[in-house]
Amino acid sequence: AQTVTQSQPEMSVQEAETVTLSCTYDTSESDYYLFWYKQPPSRQMILVIRQEAYKQQNATENRFSVNFQKAAKSFSLKISDSQLGDAAMYFCADLPSPYKYIFGTGTRLKVLA
Amino acid sequence: DAGVTQSPTHLIKTRGQQVTLRCSPKSGHDTVSWYQQALGQGPQFIFQYYEEEERQRGNFPDRFSGHQFPNYSSELNVNALLLGDSALYLCASSLGLAGLSGANVLTFGAGSRLTVL
Repeated sequence: AQTVTQSQPEMSVQEAETVTLSCTYDTSESDYYLFWYKQPPSRQMILVIRQEAYKQQNATENRFSVNFQKAAKSFSLKISDSQLGDAAMYFCADLPSPYKYIFGTGTRLKVLA
Repeated sequence: DAGVTQSPTHLIKTRGQQVTLRCSPKSGHDTVSWYQQALGQGPQFIFQYYEEEERQRGNFPDRFSGHQFPNYSSELNVNALLLGDSALYLCASSLGLAGLSGANVLTFGAGSRLTVL
């Protein structure tokens, strides 16, 4: 079965600093999408950033950017200038085929004031 | 613009009972997916509905069933509840089938927390 692995159960970062969350996946598809979703205590999953596998350029959304290494099947999320509101569970997800997202187990991010 | 709404937000059931969870998709969306999120885990795909038909199913037993109505809203039914069914059930909507170009971003609801005693 295809899997998404997030090896960091928990990470901490000082406010205004930069943190990187790791993710690896194992899809064998040639075309797929990768995502980072944020789940705050309110439980609602919110899309942070999306990467299309056929695009070599790393996606960027304001303070959020990814480092997409296709050959290594690695998809890390970098959060710059961390804010208290960034504290949440972060899930990496793979969409290797129609219909079905595959999520990792999540990384809990704590932001220290 | 209303997002995805789910009801109820919390419920408690006992083993062997049946439960129905409801979901209204985001305005303009026509596809509904259901995910189960156990405590400390990532969401697991249950199934997806489009045009009132189940289009794809994850690795869940037949005790899990669903329905989509003409107004695109959806229900998730779970029969013969087990303790292991305790989880957060997330509904997500999209325009078209997730995976096709431009239609793969899911909008999630806040979930229904099911506790089975």
